[in-house]
Amino acid sequence: DAGVIQSPRHEVTEMGQEVTLRCKPISGHDYLFWYRQTMMRGLELLIYFNNNVPIDDSGMPEDRFSAKMPNASFSTLKIQPSEPRDSAVYFCASRTVEELFFGEGSRLTVL
Amino acid sequence: GEDVEQSLFLSVREGDSSVINCTYTDSSSTYLYWYKQEPGAGLQLLTYIFSNMDMKQDQRLTVLLNKKDKHLSLRIADTQTGDSAIYFCAESKRSSYKLIFGSGTRLLVRP
Repeated sequence: DAGVIQSPRHEVTEMGQEVTLRCKPISGHDYLFWYRQTMMRGLELLIYFNNNVPIDDSGMPEDRFSAKMPNASFSTLKIQPSEPRDSAVYFCASRTVEELFFGEGSRLTVL
Repeated sequence: GEDVEQSLFLSVREGDSSVINCTYTDSSSTYLYWYKQEPGAGLQLLTYIFSNMDMKQDQRLTVLLNKKDKHLSLRIADTQTGDSAIYFCAESKRSSYKLIFGSGTRLLVRP
């Protein structure tokens, strides 16, 4: 298996633009997570899904953030409109009962 | 509450053992994890321990769990320069499948 695949790896955009980050989880994993990593706040859980259904979105910062999982092999995290404080590395992860595997991350810079 | 704490920095000489410590607050945690993050990369699962175990050994890695004190440690034997990275401790709860991460310990291995 290729592991958790994220795209794009790097995104530079201007304030106010829409950003869409994509994730393909490992096949057969029922849980998918979106985390955000910054120097100031460390790793924060934004939202997670079980069998494509959002279970806990309490970590989503505000209404500008939305996440979807239309099928078992694809998820998106959208920021609209983006702001400079959204600059971070966004990680997608999927898990079995015991193990959580991360993608390589999408580094977002909002100017 | 949900709080995982780690010391920020550890420096060791190559060939010595490294011990990275972590404390957590939730006694209902089922699995406890150690992840490694190298610069610009995602989080790599190193090892994990189930909450009913006291110790787990995997090659150079030894995990010790003290449930009474809610203390977890990772010992790396014969530390190499390639072990220089940030190490994250995380807990997972029975009631959900989300992982809560500590702030990470930066390990520097001096030649």
